[in-house]
Amino acid sequence: EVQLVESGGGLVQPGGSLRLSCAASGFTFSSYWMSWVRQAPGKGLEWVANIKQDGGEKYYVDSVMGRFTISRDNAKNSMYLQMDSLRADDTAVYYCARGCIVAAGIFDYWGQGTLVTVSS
Amino acid sequence: EIVLTQSPATLSLSPGERATLSCRASQSVSSYLVWYQQKPGQAPRLLIYDASIRATGIPARFSGSGSGTDFTLTISSLEPEDFAVYFCQQHSNWPPYTFGQGTKLEIK
Repeated sequence: EVQLVESGGGLVQPGGSLRLSCAASGFTFSSYWMSWVRQAPGKGLEWVANIKQDGGEKYYVDSVMGRFTISRDNAKNSMYLQMDSLRADDTAVYYCARGCIVAAGIFDYWGQGTLVTVSS
Repeated sequence: EIVLTQSPATLSLSPGERATLSCRASQSVSSYLVWYQQKPGQAPRLLIYDASIRATGIPARFSGSGSGTDFTLTISSLEPEDFAVYFCQQHSNWPPYTFGQGTKLEIK
């Protein structure tokens, strides 16, 4: 059974940092693109970043470019999102999502999410 | 960046009725359009990809159609568990992947 479990969310002050983790199981992690998608409270979905199977390609939405860094460790079946210079508008539930084998941009499995709250 | 506009924002129907949800793209996305369902407190669930292909385990009452800029998600006969928020998403022109703002399907 495919499972994605996010962790690392919490309350952080504006300008602070947080590192999210996504632990994957039930599939060959190293064969899939992976993404982070976020959802502000009561709002829609926003794709944040993704990373290729070998970590050699990474892409970001403009609003997080230069502040967030996506990475992965295939030996640990894990993906990470380092978030620096956090702002109030980064407050959201952050989901880890797997890109399906036919296309990186079709998200076939999602974790349950971890809440990040940026507030003083 | 491709903008996806979903309509209506809210759709009020009764169980057994037919639901038709629309998603319009600001430029052609070919058939690279995906639909998700999200229930309160849950992660999104993949329903339809590449405009019309049902994901594994999705009931046949869900169908998708369209290409280019205009897409439709149809639920032929609503079941109680279908009342949720539905999002469309394009993976034609990225980064970024973009989502519509969602359609809330509520019980009338």
